[in-house]
Amino acid sequence: EVQLVESGGGLVQPGGSLRLSCAASGFIVTHNYMNWVRQAPGKGLEWVSVIYSGHSTYSADSVKGRFAVSRDTPKNTIYLQMNNLRPEDTAVYYCARTSGSDLWDGFDIWGQGTTVIVSS
Amino acid sequence: QSVLTQPPSVSGAPGQRVTFYCTGSSSNIGARYPVHWYQQLPGKAPKLLIYADNNRPSGVPARFSGSKSGTSASLAITGLQAEDEADYYCQSYDRRLSGSSVFGTGTKVTVL
Repeated sequence: EVQLVESGGGLVQPGGSLRLSCAASGFIVTHNYMNWVRQAPGKGLEWVSVIYSGHSTYSADSVKGRFAVSRDTPKNTIYLQMNNLRPEDTAVYYCARTSGSDLWDGFDIWGQGTTVIVSS
Repeated sequence: QSVLTQPPSVSGAPGQRVTFYCTGSSSNIGARYPVHWYQQLPGKAPKLLIYADNNRPSGVPARFSGSKSGTSASLAITGLQAEDEADYYCQSYDRRLSGSSVFGTGTKVTVL
């Protein structure tokens, strides 16, 4: 079965760090663009970061310089390292697979999400 | 702040047709990047509903359809059912923002 399972969320103080994991099964993460998308409480979806099938990564301006996406190929897992966290980073974080070979293709597989709360 | 704008809410009675729009600009929808639609049920992850403007993944009922024209796209639900009550988001790509997908502001569909 093709699926994504996120983990690593939790409560962290402002200025702290957290690393989220997204374990993939049923497909190989290096074959697709892999994304992180977040949703603040009661708000809409916000694209956060993408890692290409190579090693290129891009992030939204709101997290640039603070968040970094990476990949462990043997573990078939992607990560989101989040540093200098702010209260406005509080959200459910989803990982999602881009379905096709173009960056603008839709996201066909989503994880269940992991919750990050930034609060003192 | 999203670059794709949707109405906050729409409603309809069971069996009716509802249509709502996703408005972008010349750097995203108007640049002919495909538009995708997602359905998000309460407490659940989003689910791909329509991809590449007007295509339904396997398993998505035919009552959902998408279209695109100029700098806007639309999602139509015909024969509205109670289980269609959810949040719906459009998504595209914006060439001004390196590597960036963009989501719409979201539309809450209420079945009366």
